[in-house]
Amino acid sequence: EVKLVESGGGLVQPGRSLKLSCAASGFSFNDYWMGWVRQAPGKGLEWIGEINQDSSTINYTPSLKDKFTISRDNAQNTLYLQMSKLGSEDTAIYYCARKAIYVYYGLLLQYFDYWGQGVMVTVSS
Amino acid sequence: DIQMTQSPASLSASLGETVSIECLASEGISNDLAWYQQKSGKSPQLLIYAASRLQDGVPSRFSGSGSGTRYSLKISGMQPEDEADYFCQQSYKYPNTFGAGTKLELK
Repeated sequence: EVKLVESGGGLVQPGRSLKLSCAASGFSFNDYWMGWVRQAPGKGLEWIGEINQDSSTINYTPSLKDKFTISRDNAQNTLYLQMSKLGSEDTAIYYCARKAIYVYYGLLLQYFDYWGQGVMVTVSS
Repeated sequence: DIQMTQSPASLSASLGETVSIECLASEGISNDLAWYQQKSGKSPQLLIYAASRLQDGVPSRFSGSGSGTRYSLKISGMQPEDEADYFCQQSYKYPNTFGAGTKLELK
């Protein structure tokens, strides 16, 4: 059974940093791209970024590129999200997700097929 | 960035009614589109990928269609358990982007 379990969330003061973890099990972690998505309270989903299997390619949404860093440890089957210079706008549930690929006439069509339960991050003084 | 305009923002459907939700991309995305369902307090769940392919375990009343810039999700026969938020997502270009969501309620 595929499982993704996020941890590391909580209450953090503005301007501080926080590192989230996502422990993966039930599949071959080093065969998949992995990503992070967040959801502010009562709002929609925001794609943060994703990382390829050997960490050689990492893509971010432009507005978060200088604040957030995605990494992974394939030996530990764990995905990370390092967040810095946090502000109230970063208050959200943070989800990790596995990215799958469907090959269609030579096109690589991608989607998140498994999601974690999410972890809440609250930025407040 | 590719903008995903999702409509309607909310709708109410009766038991057994057929409903449709649409996503319009600001440029062509070559069927690189997924639909997710999110029930209250839960994480999103994949319904449809590659615009029209049904994820394993998803009821057949859910279907996806579209091409180019226009895509839609159809629920053929609303059930109580379909009450949820629905989101589209394009993965054609970075940054990947989501639609704003549709809140579906049972009338």
